[in-house]
This record gives sequence, structure tokens and C-alpha cells, in this order.
Amino acid sequence: QKEVEQNSGPLSVPEGAIASLNCTYSDRGSQSFFWYRQYSGKSPELIMFIYSNGDKEDGRFTAQLNKASQYVSLLIRDSQPSDSATYLCAVNAGGTSYGKLTFGQGTILTVHP
Amino acid sequence: EPEVTQTPSHQVTQMGQEVILRCVPISNHLYFYWYRQILGQKVEFLVSFYNNEISEKSEIFDDQFSVERPDGSNFTLKIRSTKLEDSAMYFCASSALGGGGDEQFFGPGTRLTVL
Repeated sequence: QKEVEQNSGPLSVPEGAIASLNCTYSDRGSQSFFWYRQYSGKSPELIMFIYSNGDKEDGRFTAQLNKASQYVSLLIRDSQPSDSATYLCAVNAGGTSYGKLTFGQGTILTVHP
Repeated sequence: EPEVTQTPSHQVTQMGQEVILRCVPISNHLYFYWYRQILGQKVEFLVSFYNNEISEKSEIFDDQFSVERPDGSNFTLKIRSTKLEDSAMYFCASSALGGGGDEQFFGPGTRLTVL
């Protein structure tokens, strides 16, 4: 059973701080990694994807991937109250997996003013 | 900005009834997916679809489920005889390319309530 694990939180940070969200995955052959944001009652919204080891930055968001440690993280700089949501880590195994995403249970982030 | 749309937003049905959930993927996308999310639980993969056939399906996607692309724009999920445990949010997603490296964009979902 291929698993994706996240700390369910809640993670609470003050406005303007850096929020750090973590995810581990069990399938060493996994090839692509996605972060989605999900507001309560809404659908997942893609924030970032990363395929290669290292960091990838997009505005206030930085994704970090370490395939040796089977670990992917998302940093949110200058956190805003509007960032309060559940953050979902999703992993695609690649190979014969036709785009199937395996999701973690999500980390609830609360940014307080 | 192009987006995935889904109808209806909420469907209430009696146990044993058939339901069809509808999706319009982003127009130039070729790969389509259905996921579900039971309240308070993880998003779970159901099925992927490309070139008018199922590419992959999960163990959840049993004989009660079927998918179809009846025309050039719609993608449907049918549940033949609904059970109480089918109550969930059902999300359609699409991607331009398949495989592991392509971003999937999700529709707003259909909340299915089975009574």
C-alpha cells in the first residue's frame, strides 16, 4: 500500500511568519509531487508541483524535495490569514500509473492576525 | 481562465438508485479523472480515463461504477445502485498530458448524499 503521510495539525502561525508543511511518502519510485490547498467545503486547488530534488520557488511558496529521504515540504513565507486552509500533499508514482494521485490526509494551517 | 465544471453541485438520492455525475473538463485536456472525498477523510483516486477508455482504476471503482465520455465535452461518472457509504464529495479533474508529471486541475465537486 503506497502511503503519503502528513501531520494533520492544526499548525498555527502568526501573520507574516513562515509556515512549514511536511509530507513523507512510502513509494521510493514516486516521480512527481504536488501541493494543493483546500478550503473547507471546496475542491483542491493546485499551488505547486516539483519533480526534481532541491527547491522550487513560486512567489511566497517554496517546495522542497528530497527523494533520498522520501520527503517533500512546502514553505509559505509572509503568511496571510487568507492562507488558512488545509494543505494536501499528493504524489504520483509515475511509470504505469496514468496520473493517479495519492493524497495525504492534509495539514490544517491557521494564520492568525 | 479555463476551468473544470461539474453538475450538479449537490445530489440527494435514495439508496439503490442510480446517479450520474457530470463533468466538463478543460477543453484542450486529454486525461480525465474522478476522485472522491468522504467527509473528514483523504481525497481518494477512483479512475483515470484517456482516449475513450479507462487507464487505471482503484479497488473502490467496482462494478457499480462506470465512466463515459458521451460527447466531445462531457465526462460522466455513473453509480448504478448507490449505497449509504457512497455519500461523499466527488471531484472530476483533468490534465493536458497524462503520466506522472502533469498537473491535474480539479472541478468544484458534486456532493452526493445517499439516504
